[in-house]
Amino acid sequence: QVTLKESGPVLVKPTETLTLTCTVSGVSLSSAGMAVSWIRQPPGKALEWLAHIFSNDEKTYSTSLKSRLTISKDTSKNQVVLTMSNVDPVDTATYYCARTTLFYRGDYMDVWGNGTTVTVSS
Amino acid sequence: DIELTQSPSSLSASVGDRVTITCRASHNISDFLHWYQQKPGKAPKLLIYASSILQSGVPSRFSGSGSGTDFTLTISALRPEDFATYFCHQSYSTPLTFGPGTQVDVK
Repeated sequence: QVTLKESGPVLVKPTETLTLTCTVSGVSLSSAGMAVSWIRQPPGKALEWLAHIFSNDEKTYSTSLKSRLTISKDTSKNQVVLTMSNVDPVDTATYYCARTTLFYRGDYMDVWGNGTTVTVSS
Repeated sequence: DIELTQSPSSLSASVGDRVTITCRASHNISDFLHWYQQKPGKAPKLLIYASSILQSGVPSRFSGSGSGTDFTLTISALRPEDFATYFCHQSYSTPLTFGPGTQVDVK
């Protein structure tokens, strides 16, 4: 059974760097045919994709947030880390990581973590 | 970027009703369109991928169709556990995008 669990700070101050960790169990991050995505959801709003990283270490980022995001993985710990620099109160959201299964008719996010809620406030 | 719009933004329905939600893409995305269900305080759950393929374990009252720019999610007979928000999502090109959601609540 594949599970993902997000962890990180509950409260971050404006201009600081946010670091979130996704710990994956039940599948190796080195497995072909999968990736891990980060998605966020501000309170009462829609989902926003942030970034993903593939087993071959290929990475892609949201166009609007690319300059502030870095995604990486530690295969020895089976973790994916997302950092977001220079946070602002508008970055307040629940952050999810999700296993992305690669499929010839479109990659899809089939296993999600429970999410971690981050508030940006001074 | 590919924009996804959903209609309606919300709807009220009764148990047993047939419910249809529409998702429209700003560009042709073939059938690279997926549907998720989200309940309050919970993570999204994958219902359908590649427009019409039912995810394992999802009840057969859920179905999806469409290709190109127009897609639909249908619940054939609404059950109490189906009151939730539904999002469409495209993975045809990056940046990946989600629709704004359709909230299904009790009439």
